[in-house]
Amino acid sequence: GAVVSQHPSWVICKSGTSVKIECRSLDFQATTMFWYRQFPKQSLMLMATSNEGSKATYEQGVEKDKFLINHASLTLSTLTVTSAHPEDSSFYICSARAGGGTIYNEQFFGPGTRLTVL
Amino acid sequence: EDQVTQSPEALRLQEGESSSLNCSYTVSGLRGLFWYRQDPGKGPEFLFTLYSAGEEKEKERLKATLTKKESFLHITAPKPEDSATYLCAVLVAGNNRKLIWGLGTSLAVNP
Repeated sequence: GAVVSQHPSWVICKSGTSVKIECRSLDFQATTMFWYRQFPKQSLMLMATSNEGSKATYEQGVEKDKFLINHASLTLSTLTVTSAHPEDSSFYICSARAGGGTIYNEQFFGPGTRLTVL
Repeated sequence: EDQVTQSPEALRLQEGESSSLNCSYTVSGLRGLFWYRQDPGKGPEFLFTLYSAGEEKEKERLKATLTKKESFLHITAPKPEDSATYLCAVLVAGNNRKLIWGLGTSLAVNP
């Protein structure tokens, strides 16, 4: 139980293009989803928190117009990196938290997406 | 300021050599402490949640304990497949349900 998928697992794109990453909770309803970024040998950096049906809350220093987040349903959230540049190259990981029950507090993570911008 | 510190930063063990990883925290109101395992190039895998001092949880060769200021992840008779980065995170009251993360302990178990 508590499986989260992420697609694609890796993507290479040209500078200036946009990339969409999908995050799905497969066996539970996720009222809240989180998007993280991780640099090599560093811990997770929270980018934004999204609740189903409402606008995402972005962390300080994260450009909301560059990293568009949509949490359209209880099982799907998307992160779109707009006009990507080489400095956006990173490992992006989503997590999902259930709306209630015994797993209410835990975040369950997807496998991550490696983005390389040329 | 809420803070989570993990030690050691890196640990190398021989197969079968038991040890402990530490996660110390200074937060205003602990709602839960979480342990995750992360393999290279993958997302973190949930291991344990601890809520109150004195609580313990076990899974195979891993045992997590919690006091009022720190948590330990005990690894008994580790195997090479236990090699990974172990991350600790805390959920703080009134923090919009965000996790505060430690930097992790990189564990290598040699056969």
